[in-house]
Amino acid sequence: GAVVSQHPSRVICKSGTSVKIECRSLDFQATTMFWYRQFPKKSLMLMATSNEGSKATYEQGVEKDKFLINHASLTLSTLTVTSAHPEDSSFYICSARAMGHKAPKETQYFGPGTRLLVL
Amino acid sequence: LAKTTQPISMDSYEGQEVNITCSHNNIATNDYITWYQQFPSQGPRFIIQGYKTKVTNEVASLFIPADRKSSTLSLPRVSLSDTAVYYCLVGDRDTGRRALTFGSGTRLQVQP
Repeated sequence: GAVVSQHPSRVICKSGTSVKIECRSLDFQATTMFWYRQFPKKSLMLMATSNEGSKATYEQGVEKDKFLINHASLTLSTLTVTSAHPEDSSFYICSARAMGHKAPKETQYFGPGTRLLVL
Repeated sequence: LAKTTQPISMDSYEGQEVNITCSHNNIATNDYITWYQQFPSQGPRFIIQGYKTKVTNEVASLFIPADRKSSTLSLPRVSLSDTAVYYCLVGDRDTGRRALTFGSGTRLQVQP
């Protein structure tokens, strides 16, 4: 099946610094990628929808100036957490929709996630 | 979007069959039922999808009654590695068409 990677898998940073998380579709093109956030023992919550070549669409309550999303190519989307604070500590998961890929009925593929800890 | 209701948690033992039921009373005519599995510190993984009756693959079976207001994910002979959270979703057959709305899921704990 299609593979989505994320880098880094985990990151620890100091409060006030910025952290960039990469999401790559390894063997298919993804015009649309989604970014989710998941707190411990909670479900995934959509943060934003990232479309290649255009501005991301953010969910209500998600600060676009704090969570910068760039979808510069058909295989890469990045999420930058700016001026991170301890409350931003969470598990960030991206997913990608496979286009033109011989996939089963399910065509949204998830990355392995990035665990962010802000001290 | 059709709302889904699942048990919060379930416990089982290795070798047993586990059935997780999901209620979706407001499912639309065009909606499909999709189940995802999520291991700790990993992204969700597609398990199975169906529209009606029964669907079976190498991992699980999905039973959907005629009224489609519920569905049951059946995991045969679970092992410790099946310990995970299982999410039931209702929506497009193409799950990539839009972002997915995850409910609380069912946390399955398999004991030795």
